[in-house]
Amino acid sequence: ETGVTQSPTHLIKTRGQQVTLRCSSQSGHNTVSWYQQALGQGPQFIFQYYREEENGRGNFPPRFSGLQFPNYSSELNVNALELDDSALYLCASSLPGATDTQYFGPGTRLTVL
Amino acid sequence: AQSVSQHNHHVILSEAASLELGCNYSYGGTVNLFWYVQYPGQHLQLLLKYFSGDPLVKGIKGFEAEFIKSKFSFNLRKPSVQWSDTAEYFCAVTPPNAGKSTFGDGTTLTVKP
Repeated sequence: ETGVTQSPTHLIKTRGQQVTLRCSSQSGHNTVSWYQQALGQGPQFIFQYYREEENGRGNFPPRFSGLQFPNYSSELNVNALELDDSALYLCASSLPGATDTQYFGPGTRLTVL
Repeated sequence: AQSVSQHNHHVILSEAASLELGCNYSYGGTVNLFWYVQYPGQHLQLLLKYFSGDPLVKGIKGFEAEFIKSKFSFNLRKPSVQWSDTAEYFCAVTPPNAGKSTFGDGTTLTVKP
């Protein structure tokens, strides 16, 4: 059984650009959550996807958007990148009916210059 | 809004010393509680979780945590740490069946051999 995978591992963008990060959930997991972890801080909840619909959102602006596909994989899109968007972006998946127990991927390190 | 406070930013111990990491949370309802560990270069892994029942929960690698409802605390303990316990530890809370976790800012544990 493969775990949660994320791509790319690292990414460097410039201010104002757009970025797409990808996540493949663990087999059988239909719920995917995205978190932003700034340096020296804990992960902050961005949003969650369940059955291809957004199912809750944290305190992030609309330029953070996402998608979930029929195979439960997911994308995080960030438009108009700002310097403060530099962070580790984590994806977590969970089983149907057991969304409290999340399995995290290794993350994508985004640097905005 | 939920918040999680981890009192110690960085803890340094010698091998065989006992460990206690503090975690307090603020939330106006029932929560599920988690401790995660992030070893150097690895992704977040679940150490232990509390949903209900016995407030003393045991996790992997000899870790345990005690939920004290009256103090809104969920402290992590280990009687005797090893060098391999060097890692960052995160406390998190989640409303039941939500999977939308609020994390503390983490405690970096360094164990000297």
